[in-house]
Amino acid sequence: KAGVTQTPRYLIKTRGQQVTLSCSPISGHRSVSWYQQTPGQGLQFLFEYFSETQRNKGNFPGRFSGRQFSNSRSEMNVSTLELGDSALYLCASSLGTSGDQETQYFGPGTRLLVL
Amino acid sequence: QQQVKQSPQSLIVQKGGISIINCAYENTAFDYFPWYQQFPGKGPALLIAIRPDVSEKKEGRFTISFNKSAKQFSLHIMDSQPGDSATYFCAASMLNYGQNFVFGPGTRLSVLP
Repeated sequence: KAGVTQTPRYLIKTRGQQVTLSCSPISGHRSVSWYQQTPGQGLQFLFEYFSETQRNKGNFPGRFSGRQFSNSRSEMNVSTLELGDSALYLCASSLGTSGDQETQYFGPGTRLLVL
Repeated sequence: QQQVKQSPQSLIVQKGGISIINCAYENTAFDYFPWYQQFPGKGPALLIAIRPDVSEKKEGRFTISFNKSAKQFSLHIMDSQPGDSATYFCAASMLNYGQNFVFGPGTRLSVLP
């Protein structure tokens, strides 16, 4: 089975711009979660989508948004970029159903640099 | 209450030694505790996980010890190898609450040859 893929792998943007990151989950997985990883704050949960609906949300401002498509692929959008948004953005997928929902598989991440 | 504390921040172990990483949580609603291993340039990978109805779980050289009353859990890596050099994260979540994981800050493990 192919793993979780994220595109692009690297991105450079300037303050005020917006960015869209993409995540393709493992085939058959319906849950996609997004995390932000920084040296200072570690891994922080952004949100989770399951069957095209946001199921959980972390404590991030509304500039961070996401969506999920019918094929379970997910996109994350960050508007009005700030320097502090520079981070590794990780996507994780899982079956999302009870019994095995806890097994998350992470992608390699998209490294975003905001100048 | 949502925090997961992790120590040490970094750890240096000789090859063949035992690596021990500790985590503590406050939210008693957490009922699933995974450990992730992350190599540079890669996403975290699930290593081993435990639920609070078990006090210990072993998979190969990796063992999780869980102390529910103390709200602590730890990862033991037996016979540590240079290939184990990575950053380790403990995490906690509530099953039936979706994939909302709280991660510890991480421990950078270096195993010397």
